[in-house]
Amino acid sequence: EPEVTQTPSHQVTQMGQEVILRCVPISNHLYFYWYRQILGQKVEFLVSFYNNEISEKSEIFDDQFSVERPDGSNFTLKIRSTKLEDSAMYFCASGGWEQFFGPGTRLTVL
Amino acid sequence: SQQGEEDPQALSIQEGENATMNCSYKTSINNLQWYRQNSGRGLVHLILIRSNEREKHSGRLRVTLDTSKKSSSLLITASRAADTASYFCATDAPLSPTGTASKLTFGTGTRLQVTL
Repeated sequence: EPEVTQTPSHQVTQMGQEVILRCVPISNHLYFYWYRQILGQKVEFLVSFYNNEISEKSEIFDDQFSVERPDGSNFTLKIRSTKLEDSAMYFCASGGWEQFFGPGTRLTVL
Repeated sequence: SQQGEEDPQALSIQEGENATMNCSYKTSINNLQWYRQNSGRGLVHLILIRSNEREKHSGRLRVTLDTSKKSSSLLITASRAADTASYFCATDAPLSPTGTASKLTFGTGTRLQVTL
């Protein structure tokens, strides 16, 4: 059964550093999403992506965040200058009405 | 906002018993979905129910939706220890002009513990 994959599973970085989180969505899906979950809190929507452009973004998704689909299979989330409060589990999802989530990348900012 | 709020926050039952979790939301939706999350892991899609459906079954799962009360319930029958996880409801509204994509708004989740 096809599934969404994410790498790395765990990323540790220093505050102010750039990180790129990678996702490979399910191949025939057209909509892609990033969500995050701060420890003990709700899963929060960050951004949706369709037809090579952002469809919608939340207020969390500020200028420090960007997304890209560089090669038709990967879908990346870049955080330019990480802050302590960016520490969270980041989930990629793909689909349409039903969204299928990857296993997540745990980002720890020190 | 279209927030899903689950109750109870935590539920502890014995294996073989049924578990019922409830979700309430605030605004009109297109679909409501239930997800399972094992501790520190990803979200597993369980079931989607459309706003024009009232009940849906999938294996040991039964989901109901009452749009007049803006609420849904997830019933897990004959629970197993492996069902121990957090369960979230998520609501959506269309984003695209064709209405085929949506951001999900998640609730706070119910932590289910199934003991032997």
